[in-house]
Amino acid sequence: GAVVSQHPSWVICKSGTSVKIECRSLDFQATTMFWYRQFPKQSLMLMATSNEGSKATYEQGVEKDKFLINHASLTLSTLTVTSAHPEDSSFYICGGMDSYEQYFGPGTRLTVT
Amino acid sequence: QKEVEQNSGPLSVPEGAIASLNCTYSDRGSQSFFWYRQYSGKSPELIMFIYSNGDKEDGRFTAQLNKASQYVSLLIRDSQPSDSATYLCAVESGGYQKVTFGIGTKLQVIP
Repeated sequence: GAVVSQHPSWVICKSGTSVKIECRSLDFQATTMFWYRQFPKQSLMLMATSNEGSKATYEQGVEKDKFLINHASLTLSTLTVTSAHPEDSSFYICGGMDSYEQYFGPGTRLTVT
Repeated sequence: QKEVEQNSGPLSVPEGAIASLNCTYSDRGSQSFFWYRQYSGKSPELIMFIYSNGDKEDGRFTAQLNKASQYVSLLIRDSQPSDSATYLCAVESGGYQKVTFGIGTKLQVIP
């Protein structure tokens, strides 16, 4: 299967600071990438769909000014959590489409103190 | 709202048995269906996808799709303790390559 990397794998930050998460498709070009958030014992919730060279499409209830997404190239998408708060602590996972299948990065565990 | 329903489990099966995981979906127009395995603390990994009615086999895994009943299942033959994980059903919904995930079924394979 296709390989997607994420960096960092975990991060701890203080409330009010911003955190950037990188998602890269390593062996394929991902025109579309997806960002998910997963809270403990819950399923993946789609936050936004990121298309190369255009603005991201956010799901209902996701603040676009808080979760900034930049899909700068066919292999890189970034998610910046701005002014993070403890309730933003979660497991953030990106996914890239290779043909018709979606492959996930290893995830980034964010803890906001 | 498009939904994907799974029993959260846990589903316990003895080692060597067949594990049967089930999923129903609400969007009759869905065309693509996926099964992911997620170990605790890790991100999901794709194990099977199916697009056509019927069965699709890959090693010990068999995905079954019945679009008329809006039902997709995953069978795991000769279950191993290493198969113990949460299995997520995902359904393509609304086009644009978006998928909706079920809550996942936790499988426990007892040695």
